[in-house]
Amino acid sequence: QQQVKQSPQSLIVQKGGISIINCAYENTAFDYFPWYQQFPGKGPALLIAIRPDVSEKKEGRFTISFNKSAKQFSLHIMDSQPGDSATYFCAASADSGGSNYKLTFGKGTLLTVNP
Amino acid sequence: DSGVTQTPKHLITATGQRVTLRCSPRSGDLSVYWYQQSLDQGLQFLIQYYNGEERAKGNILERFSAQQFPDLHSELNLSSLELGDSALYFCASSARQSSSPLHFGNGTRLTVT
Repeated sequence: QQQVKQSPQSLIVQKGGISIINCAYENTAFDYFPWYQQFPGKGPALLIAIRPDVSEKKEGRFTISFNKSAKQFSLHIMDSQPGDSATYFCAASADSGGSNYKLTFGKGTLLTVNP
Repeated sequence: DSGVTQTPKHLITATGQRVTLRCSPRSGDLSVYWYQQSLDQGLQFLIQYYNGEERAKGNILERFSAQQFPDLHSELNLSSLELGDSALYFCASSARQSSSPLHFGNGTRLTVT
């Protein structure tokens, strides 16, 4: 059972364009939604995160939009740069008690930004 | 640098063998999580320890086990290895706060031949 569905699998954007990656979740208990960026040979690195009490969060060129009623959230990368080329993962977690805050990840999106 | 250290970086072994992957969490982090990353399955949660105690289990095979030691470092033991166990294994750590970020190490790439 895939609890977090991510699309598209891959995305090609021109330099300066907007990259948009979408995720949908099923578990209404999820209360934390981070996005991770992963470069080849490296571990996933936290990019930006949001909680369901806000509908949008912006950090520099990166924005998360969150729609609680639709159970969807998305990552927007403005003015995309070749250095943004990486795999992006959305994730979600819920406080299930006992200090267990494991993340459930989407399948990932391979972003390529052409110069 | 996330502050999470994993060793070794690469491991090549034969089917049927047993290996141990090591993880040192960020200073002060009490929780350690193990994830397996493969092309077809993505990032799959294996197991979590909090301050030495097992707190959650995910899609971890019975051939796999883990523990967290008093100094908070963790080891993931994989035994009776099969070709399909070839993957990247990541360790992540987090602080105690609810739904706090997970910080990942750079992983151990396991190749079973």
